[in-house]
Order: sequence, then C-alpha cells, then structure tokens
Amino acid sequence: GQSLEQPSEVTAVEGAIVQINCTYQTSGFYGLSWYQQHDGGAPTFLSYNGLDGLEETGRFSSFLSRSDSYGYLLLQELQMKDSASYFCAVLNTNAGKSTFGDGTTLTVKP
Amino acid sequence: EAEVAQSPRYKITEKSQAVAFWCDPISGHATLYWYRQILGQGPELLVQFQDESVVDDSQLPKDRFSAERLKGVDSTLKIQPAELGDSAMYLCASSSGLAGNSYEQYFGPGTRLTVT
Repeated sequence: GQSLEQPSEVTAVEGAIVQINCTYQTSGFYGLSWYQQHDGGAPTFLSYNGLDGLEETGRFSSFLSRSDSYGYLLLQELQMKDSASYFCAVLNTNAGKSTFGDGTTLTVKP
Repeated sequence: EAEVAQSPRYKITEKSQAVAFWCDPISGHATLYWYRQILGQGPELLVQFQDESVVDDSQLPKDRFSAERLKGVDSTLKIQPAELGDSAMYLCASSSGLAGNSYEQYFGPGTRLTVT
C-alpha cells in the first residue's frame, strides 16, 4: 500500500517563511506533486518534483529526496491569501495514479 | 482559460435514492479522474480513465458506484443506492496523459453531496 504523512496544521505570520513536510511510503514511486486548496474550492496544482532537488516557482519551492522518501513545500513571503490546505500527492508509475495525503492547514496571521 | 466542468454543484438526496454526477474535462485531456473528498481529508481516487478505458477502479465500491466515459470525453459517476456515508465532495480532474504527464491535474469545482 501507500501512505503519506504531513502535519495537520501550521501557523505563521505574514511575510514569514514556512515549510510543510511530507514523508511517504510507496512502491513504484514516480514523483511528488503539491496542491493548494482554499476552503470550499478545488485543489490547484502548485509544483512537482520528479527528480531529487529543489524546484522553484515564484514564492513557492518544492524539494524531493528519493533516498529519504521525503519532500517539502516552502512558502516564502507569506500572504494572507496563502491560508489554505496544502496536499502532497505521490505519483505512482502504475498508469499515473496519484495518492494524496490528508493535507496541512496553513493559517497566516497578520 | 480552459476549465473542468462539473454538475450539479450541490446535491441533496435521500438514503437509498440514485444520484448521478457529470464531468466535462479540459478539451484534449485523455486522462480523467473521479475523487471523493471527505472534510478534513485528501482526495481519494475512485476511478481513473484513459480515454474511454478504466485504468484503475480499485477503490470504487462497485456494488453501488459505477462510472462511464463512453466516447472518451465527458464522464458520469453514479451511486445507487446512496448511503449516509456517501456524503462528501466528489471531484473530477483531468490531465493530458499517463505517468510523466499526469503530475499536473486540473480539478473541477466539485459536487457536494449530502445524503439524508
């Protein structure tokens, strides 16, 4: 089977940097994606790591270490609108199936 | 900007009734997914289509759930009979291909189902 672990809640202040970790256990690992979901909204794609290392997209960066079965999402210069749930998702080699974690609720305070 | 369309947005139904959800993926996207999301949890894959073929339905409760994508474009997810535990958000997503191209999924707005 597959399992993913991420913290349930994180709180930070506006302008700060926050890191959301994700550890996984899976067979047939292909890559790790990150999604953002605001309350009542649909998940939206943020970032993907297929190889070890750091991927940067504006204020958001994502990191992957295949040997450690670990990744993280880094959010810089936090804004109030970043308050949302963040999900890591393992992409499996089995026909591209994705398995999502239970999400981390980020609260950004003034 | 192309979007995944879903209808209805909200559905209230009584236990033991039948209910159906519809999804129209982004044009040209070969892969279509149906997810169920319970409040406070991540999306759980119910069924994945590649064109009109089912690629994965291992988590679909086949005694009451069915899904089809007859022409490889839009799709319908049906529940019959609905149970109280089926109350959840049902999300449809699409992507442009298998494996390496499937890491970016585009989600529709979802259908919030309440079973009474």
